[in-house]
Amino acid sequence: DTEVTQTPKHLVMGMTNKKSLKCEQHMGHRAMYWYKQKAKKPPELMFVYSYEKLSINESVPSRFSPECPNSSLLNLHLHALQPEDSALYLCASSQVGTSGETQYFGPGTRLLVL
Amino acid sequence: KQEVTQIPAALSVPEGENLVLNCSFTDSAIYNLQWFRQDPGKGLTSLLLIQSSQREQTSGRLNASLDKSSGRSTLYIAASQPGDSATYLCAMGTSYGKLTFGQGTILTVHP
Repeated sequence: DTEVTQTPKHLVMGMTNKKSLKCEQHMGHRAMYWYKQKAKKPPELMFVYSYEKLSINESVPSRFSPECPNSSLLNLHLHALQPEDSALYLCASSQVGTSGETQYFGPGTRLLVL
Repeated sequence: KQEVTQIPAALSVPEGENLVLNCSFTDSAIYNLQWFRQDPGKGLTSLLLIQSSQREQTSGRLNASLDKSSGRSTLYIAASQPGDSATYLCAMGTSYGKLTFGQGTILTVHP
């Protein structure tokens, strides 16, 4: 099973709302990633977790708060977002988070901030 | 700053043609080069991964090459089919699994 699942598929939220995106994998991978992809642009890395510890934070605003409760789950908590945060949010996983690994992507959550 | 460039930005070909997508990168500290496919509104599907010590990888009708010294990679698709229509992204892998993506090539294969 090489599947990464993400919920919800679509999310519409106001600028004062608090919501969470969820990502799950059951491949035994120990590294998980969040990417942001704006329309007609490539994905941009936001966060990397390796062995449930945050290893990379690409200077993402604090209104995005990642959480890795266990090796299979990765959450992205959203608070006080701006309309420009509207994008496709992609989760990925790989074996341990070192170079040379294939990353497996989920289908994404399409977020619209009003 | 690490940069990845893909040429052409878009490509339209008739079914059955062989085609080449190009990717260039600026960081000599590259660990690997990955090619992905993305269908509209969907996630990414990994196609091929070439380690920095390798020259090429093949999977079915796909062949990817890597030339570290010139900072180039190519993705060759043989006998293209309408189902190959998608956006193709190359990504440079550096330390800690970080990927830097190119802008992508939008491929349309028409019957």
